Amino acid sequence: EVQLVESGGGLAQPGGSLRLSCAASGFSFSNYGMDWVRQAPGKGLEWVSYIGTSNDIYYADSVKGRFTISRDNAKNSLFLQMNSLRDGDTAVYYCARDPQGSRDFDLWGRGTLVTVSS
Amino acid sequence: QSVLTQPPSASGTPGQRVAISCSGGSSNIGSEYVNWYQQLPGTAPKLLIYNNNERPSGVPARFSGSKSGTSASLAISGLQSEDEADYYCAAWYDSLRAYVFGTGTKVTVL
Repeated sequence: EVQLVESGGGLAQPGGSLRLSCAASGFSFSNYGMDWVRQAPGKGLEWVSYIGTSNDIYYADSVKGRFTISRDNAKNSLFLQMNSLRDGDTAVYYCARDPQGSRDFDLWGRGTLVTVSS
Repeated sequence: QSVLTQPPSASGTPGQRVAISCSGGSSNIGSEYVNWYQQLPGTAPKLLIYNNNERPSGVPARFSGSKSGTSASLAISGLQSEDEADYYCAAWYDSLRAYVFGTGTKVTVL
């Protein structure tokens, strides 16, 4: 089955860290760009980061310098290392498949909830 | 504070046509493809329209997209109860080197 499954969410303190994972299956992971998109409770969608097939990387200004995106093609996995977490990072984090880096996200995971609170 | 502006809500009765606008600028909509996503309550978003007006396989033909200048529009013809959802436009913002989503529009079927 073609799917993306996120994990690693949970409760973190302000200033703390979390590492999200996204396991891909049913397609050739290495041939696709991948993104993280988040959604704060009751709010709209916010793009977070992109990693291409050649490891070209982009970040939203709101996470630049704090979050690091990476991928392991051998393990069909996408990661998001989140450091210096803030209250405003509280959201459901989705990973999404990005054909050819064109940002038309044609496959989404179900998301993992990150809560930043003391 | 998104750079792509959508009306917060839209509504119609079953069978009606509903249109949702998305207003941007020359560095995003004006020079890039626009995509549209549908988010049903409690679920992940789903790609509805890509490259301004293309529908992925499985998306009903009653959904259509268009773009003119720095604005884009999503139309739903023959509105159905299962179309009740949040809809987001999105485009690459070249000068920011970032992908931006619209503010979102909640569609209600009366």
